[in-house]
Amino acid sequence: GAGVSQSPRYKVAKRGQDVALRCDPISGHVSLFWYQQALGQGPEFLTYFQNEAQLDKSGLPSDRFFAERPEGSVSTLKIQRTQQEDSAVYLCASSFQRGGTGELFFGEGSRLTVL
Amino acid sequence: SQQGEEDPQALSIQEGENATMNCSYKTSINNLQWYRQNSGRGLVHLILIRSNEREKHSGRLRVTLDTSKKSSSLLITASRAADTASYFCATILSGGYQKVTFGTGTKLQVIP
Repeated sequence: GAGVSQSPRYKVAKRGQDVALRCDPISGHVSLFWYQQALGQGPEFLTYFQNEAQLDKSGLPSDRFFAERPEGSVSTLKIQRTQQEDSAVYLCASSFQRGGTGELFFGEGSRLTVL
Repeated sequence: SQQGEEDPQALSIQEGENATMNCSYKTSINNLQWYRQNSGRGLVHLILIRSNEREKHSGRLRVTLDTSKKSSSLLITASRAADTASYFCATILSGGYQKVTFGTGTKLQVIP
């Protein structure tokens, strides 16, 4: 497809389970961002990739969160030993330009519910 | 933490009226963008204004930027029911790789 694709759209996990969320950015987009959005809040920055390089992971809330983009296209956000406070929508965005110099294109998000 | 704060948090208007949302931010920016989010969906880019610009128009949207006050406003003229959504400002910080951080959002309801 032409847009940013995220999967799964919905994920229910039991506390303590590991989850992996996938993002397929628009082909050729250099920049890729992950955000966490709690209900009724704005997106909170998690991490940023420029091609395969993770330039900023300052927003990852704990060492249970890990992101990768090994070939500079598809990215995976992994959350180990999920906790209830991890419940949120995880948004992926990509951009043709570096950093925030241009428009970000967002996927529909992956809604994670931890029971 | 959020770089920007939108005001008001929620706004309810009649169709045809104008809607104004404000965004205040804390540090120097390269540019500022406004996004729209329909319930349960991803964000959609509306407009980008650079730090050396003061005003920009796109259709029914008008954005202003005052870097001395570290604030921006989004005006939607002649609102429609389909404009009902949450609106977020995104500040793109100067320097480095230009990190994009979002504000807290304004929830707009346009009543038909």
